[in-house]
Amino acid sequence: EPEVTQTPSHQVTQMGQEVILRCVPISNHLYFYWYRQILGQKVEFLVSFYNNEISEKSEIFDDQFSVERPDGSNFTLKIRSTKLEDSAMYFCASPEGFGAPETQYFGPGTRLLVL
Amino acid sequence: SQQGEEDPQALSIQEGENATMNCSYKTSINNLQWYRQNSGRGLVHLILIRSNEREKHSGRLRVTLDTSKKSSSLLITASRAADTASYFCATDARGGTASKLTFGTGTRLQVTL
Repeated sequence: EPEVTQTPSHQVTQMGQEVILRCVPISNHLYFYWYRQILGQKVEFLVSFYNNEISEKSEIFDDQFSVERPDGSNFTLKIRSTKLEDSAMYFCASPEGFGAPETQYFGPGTRLLVL
Repeated sequence: SQQGEEDPQALSIQEGENATMNCSYKTSINNLQWYRQNSGRGLVHLILIRSNEREKHSGRLRVTLDTSKKSSSLLITASRAADTASYFCATDARGGTASKLTFGTGTRLQVTL
């Protein structure tokens, strides 16, 4: 299966602090997604990113969140001022090929704990 | 019920038996995908079935889709202990470049020796 990588694997932060979660999608792909999964709950869509701009975002993705593609390979999710309820597993996803953008391959996730 | 709900919520079987998990959804879809998640780990893509397909196979996996009933099933044949995981269905209402997955609540499968 194509590989999407994420760093860090775990992050512990204090409430109010900024965190940046990093993803390296499948190379040369234009579509990226972020999802999150609060412990014991279903996976939820956060945002999709196409050709260097947000194509869609969910209600969860408020002004505290932002996404960037700082260089040709990395894709970041920033939470400006973390809240306790931001504690979750955050997944980056990327399709494999241009012929089948719907098949999303997920990274291993970053487990974020906000204290 | 919400888009993408699986049943049962939990399933315990013995190695060698078949496991069947069901998923129901509410809105029309372009495709439906099944994922596996080992405890606390990432999501592994298993199979995608499009709205114009009724059945699809991949190894020991068999997926069916009934768009008239808005439901899908995942069958794992000859289960192994390594199949122990949570299984999620995810629906994609639009497909293509507008793809966005809506996940179900998952079925926790336990395969015992």
